[in-house]
Amino acid sequence: ETGVTQTPRHLVMGMTNKKSLKCEQHLGHNAMYWYKQSAKKPLELMFVYSLEERVENNSVPSRFSPECPNSSHLFLHLHTLQPEDSALYLCASSQDRSRTDTQYFGPGTRLTVL
Amino acid sequence: AQSVAQPEDQVNVAEGNPLTVKCTYSVSGNPYLFWYVQYPNRGLQFLLKYITGDNLVKGSYGFEAEFNKSQTSFHLKKPSALVSDSALYFCAVRDRDAGGTSYGKLTFGQGTILTVHP
Repeated sequence: ETGVTQTPRHLVMGMTNKKSLKCEQHLGHNAMYWYKQSAKKPLELMFVYSLEERVENNSVPSRFSPECPNSSHLFLHLHTLQPEDSALYLCASSQDRSRTDTQYFGPGTRLTVL
Repeated sequence: AQSVAQPEDQVNVAEGNPLTVKCTYSVSGNPYLFWYVQYPNRGLQFLLKYITGDNLVKGSYGFEAEFNKSQTSFHLKKPSALVSDSALYFCAVRDRDAGGTSYGKLTFGQGTILTVHP
């Protein structure tokens, strides 16, 4: 449970605000992921980082900007969001990008955009 | 393209009875399959995965899943349900044989809400 932590757990922001979500993994993993979970929709993969290099960006709007300063930390910088961006944002990590690897998830940040 | 279907939005079962949460998948190659559980206000917790070998996979909390290639299914099962098993369950698939980079996208189903009644 505490292998992947996310802060804050809840965030309310206006459309003109700038905020950042933080994820930290304590598992010694080399790959990290951002997912968006909206009500009644499958999890949407947003970004993948491997050894601090972004390896996948699934057509995410530029108002979401990821940053991975090292293999233990992952940020998601938010600016000029829309109400439809309200969702649970989940961070995950895995040993590497191998197809057999299990991804381990953090508890998520519940984001509400007013 | 790969996809996962969880045909039941909700499953209700009495405590002590066996439970099944259904999952079918579609990949162009061979699959790696995963089950996760999500409790309210929590992230996803890994339950089990099928990579290769025995079609019956045993996982955490007494759960197991059976890989059936001919039916392209990976149903989650438990012989005796507990009230504490009530949660949202996700099936996910990754294509073992997809080309390109070593990373293969993990595709999730929409989830099934399991409710176990006392």
